[in-house]
Order: sequence, then C-alpha cells, then structure tokens
Amino acid sequence: DTGVSQDPRHKITKRGQNVTFRCDPISEHNRLYWYRQTLGQGPEFLTYFQNEAQLEKSRLLSDRFSAERPKGSFSTLEIQRTEQGDSAMYLCASSPFRLIPGRSLYEQYFGPGTRLTVT
Amino acid sequence: KQEVTQIPAALSVPEGENLVLNCSFTDSAIYNLQWFRQDPGKGLTSLLLIQSSQREQTSGRLNASLDKSSGRSTLYIAASQPGDSATYLCAVRPGLEQGGKLIFGQGTELSVKP
Repeated sequence: DTGVSQDPRHKITKRGQNVTFRCDPISEHNRLYWYRQTLGQGPEFLTYFQNEAQLEKSRLLSDRFSAERPKGSFSTLEIQRTEQGDSAMYLCASSPFRLIPGRSLYEQYFGPGTRLTVT
Repeated sequence: KQEVTQIPAALSVPEGENLVLNCSFTDSAIYNLQWFRQDPGKGLTSLLLIQSSQREQTSGRLNASLDKSSGRSTLYIAASQPGDSATYLCAVRPGLEQGGKLIFGQGTELSVKP
C-alpha cells in the first residue's frame, strides 16, 4: 500500500494554456474522487469515478474541465484554457467499495495534491 | 443542501492543554463523518471516521464524537503537542446513494505553542 500519488506536485502555467494532472489511487480501490481547494477553504467536490465510469460531476466542473479514468486505474484531470481563477490545490482521493481488513468502509484516502498557479 | 461549519476558524493553545474542535452540519441524514488533518501545502491525512450508527471513535490521543440528531461532531485532542499544529477538517458523506462525495467544513487552524 503506497498511498495515493499525484503528479505533478506543482504546476505554474500562463493563462490560456492547457494543463493535465494525474492521480494514481491505492491499488484495489475502485472509487476515485477529485476535489479542488482554494486558500483558507475546505476541499470542494469536482467529480468521481467508480472503476472507469464517471458517475457524478459537480456544477463546479465547467466545460473547460475534463476527467478520465481509462481502464479503471489512474485518472487524469485536464483543464483547458486556464484562467487565474483556476489557481488552487487539486486533490485526488480513493476509497474501497468493499470492506478491506484494517480499513473503514468507504473511508477516503487523499493524495498530496497538485498545486496549480495560473499567471 | 448540506452545509458544514467549523468553529473556531483558528485556535492557539499552550502545549499540554486538552482541546475540543467543533463541527456542525445542517442535514442529519449523513452516512458517515470523517476528520482530517492538513499540514500547510500538503494533502489530507485521515484521522478518524465515524459511521452514522456510531457515537464515537478513538485513536491514541484523539477522540471524535458524533451526535447526528443535533448535527454536531467534536474532535477532542488530549495533551496537545506542538506537532499537532495543523488545520483540522471535518467532512460528511451525505448518503450511501449519493456517490460518496464528501462535503467539507472550512477547517480549524490549530497552533500549539511550546
């Protein structure tokens, strides 16, 4: 169990550029979540996957945002035509759908996040 | 619409003090509640998870309680240490059929002074 990993950890981009983030969940976790956190606030839900199916998207996820989880393993979050308001920490979490010894059912485990700065 | 509030927004205590962090939520129909710790610029570390049928959970010096009917949870930290300094977040999972997203409070920033 190596934990949830995210790449890159930091990204600085100019307004109008596209960026893509990657999340690798804990193995055997079939649910994967994306959240966004701005300074001084709690994380806000963006979207989640069960295996490869994207089951819910927040209204925060504008048309410029797209997320994928091919083959139900890692996930990518792409932001097109970035705006300064997209500057935030993007957090990924995963959870098991069945009870795993030593874990709480549906408990979410978070990665270190990707900090995006749009200049 | 479920809303989660944490009070106070910031708290400073001397080392060794016992302290309580508060979390309230507007809709009592929750599936579970989770407490997290976040160090500056880092991701979230899960501390405790309380199922809606439970009243409390304990881990080391931490004890979390849940009163679903009143929409409240507390995180009790015993014998605080400077290493406990961080932001503490509570989050509720609205319901089993709602996909599992968490709704977070804005956090309490804790500073434990040596």
